[in-house]
Amino acid sequence: QVQLVQSGAEVKKPGASVKVSCKASGYTFTSYGISWVRQAPGQGLEWMGWISAYNGNTNYAQKLQGRVTMTTDTSTSTAYMELRSLRSDDTAVYYCARGRYDSDAFDIWGQGTMVTVSS
Amino acid sequence: QSVLTQPPSASGTPGQRVTISCSGSSSNIGSNTVNWYQQLPGTAPKLLIYSNNQRPSGVPDRFSGSKSGTSASLAISGLQSEDEADYYCAAWDDSLNGHVFGGGTKLTVL
Repeated sequence: QVQLVQSGAEVKKPGASVKVSCKASGYTFTSYGISWVRQAPGQGLEWMGWISAYNGNTNYAQKLQGRVTMTTDTSTSTAYMELRSLRSDDTAVYYCARGRYDSDAFDIWGQGTMVTVSS
Repeated sequence: QSVLTQPPSASGTPGQRVTISCSGSSSNIGSNTVNWYQQLPGTAPKLLIYSNNQRPSGVPDRFSGSKSGTSASLAISGLQSEDEADYYCAAWDDSLNGHVFGGGTKLTVL
């Protein structure tokens, strides 16, 4: 079945970096884009950016420009999101989500990765 | 402060019809389609409605979406206990060049 499986929880210190993976299966990886969405504890959803799995083009949220990098490895059908210079307010569950082929909706979501930033 | 505005809470009794509103502007809802997501407690969001009023395969027809101008709404008819969840609207924003979400509406089934 179509699914996205993310890497496990991380605990990082302020100023460090984190890299979360998202492995796709059940569909042609390069035919869809992947977005990353995060959710701070008890808060709403925040779109972080998008990457084309076809050609690697990216579009990052203005708020995170310069701190986030999204990449893909087509040989393993895996997308990655790296966030640098971590702060306490980066503590959140990070989701990867596939873009639906016929709209800008996110039709398949990963299970989420909890990233905790604490000294 | 979210770009799209939703009421923080909504409620209804089993069998009732409830609606959740989502207000935006000309740069998002006014010029792009709206999607709705359902998030059950402790789980990842799930696509409920896309392109304003389309249901993905497997979503019951009790769920419907509509859009008018710079506002959209999600309607749930025949409310069931398993509908208790957080609901988020989302749209592309041309000014921000990115996706924006509403703050979410917590639906309680009384």
